[in-house]
Amino acid sequence: DVKVTQSSRYLVKRTGEKVFLECVQDMDHENMFWYRQDPGLGLRLIYFSYDVKMKEKGDIPEGYSVSREKKERFSLILESASTNQTSMYLCASSLWGPGEVYNEQFFGPGTRLTVL
Amino acid sequence: SQELEQSPQSLIVQEGKNLTINCTSSKTLYGLYWYKQKYGEGLIFLMMLQKGGEEKSHEKITAKLDEKKQQSSLHITASQPSHAGIYLCGALAGDMRFGAGTRLTVKP
Repeated sequence: DVKVTQSSRYLVKRTGEKVFLECVQDMDHENMFWYRQDPGLGLRLIYFSYDVKMKEKGDIPEGYSVSREKKERFSLILESASTNQTSMYLCASSLWGPGEVYNEQFFGPGTRLTVL
Repeated sequence: SQELEQSPQSLIVQEGKNLTINCTSSKTLYGLYWYKQKYGEGLIFLMMLQKGGEEKSHEKITAKLDEKKQQSSLHITASQPSHAGIYLCGALAGDMRFGAGTRLTVKP
């Protein structure tokens, strides 16, 4: 079974802090994604990566950056956390390229981040 | 960009009742995914539809994609408390896009 793990289930940080969210997948997937989920807005794509050291902006990249130094690990960084970044963050990985139909994404359990 | 609208936003049904959740796209769908999310957890893949008119079933959950490939429905027969959660449709359009989700509550 594909396993996608996230470093924390719950996280509480203060405004202005630098926050790292880690995601690791164990199935050698090329593609990895970071989403945030908010009530009424569904899942919104923040960043994604097709390969090591490669990243692409999603719909809402402002206030975030990412790092992919190794294939299995994709990190989401909040340089200076703000209260409007309080959300559920979900990481996903997939085997095929974004244009392939069989692009099933496997999700991690999520990290619920609260910024005070 | 691909916009996916789900309806209803939330649904409360009595155990044993049937229900339907809809997902409508502004553009032709080339791959439509249904996921289920238990409250506060990650997403679990249910099924994927690709061809117009396609229908798939898994246990008591059936999903259909219409001939025009712009609308999909998810139907649950004889709902149970274990069906409770958030159902999301997702579509491939360069990258994955998701609907806002439908929150299902099943009352015992």
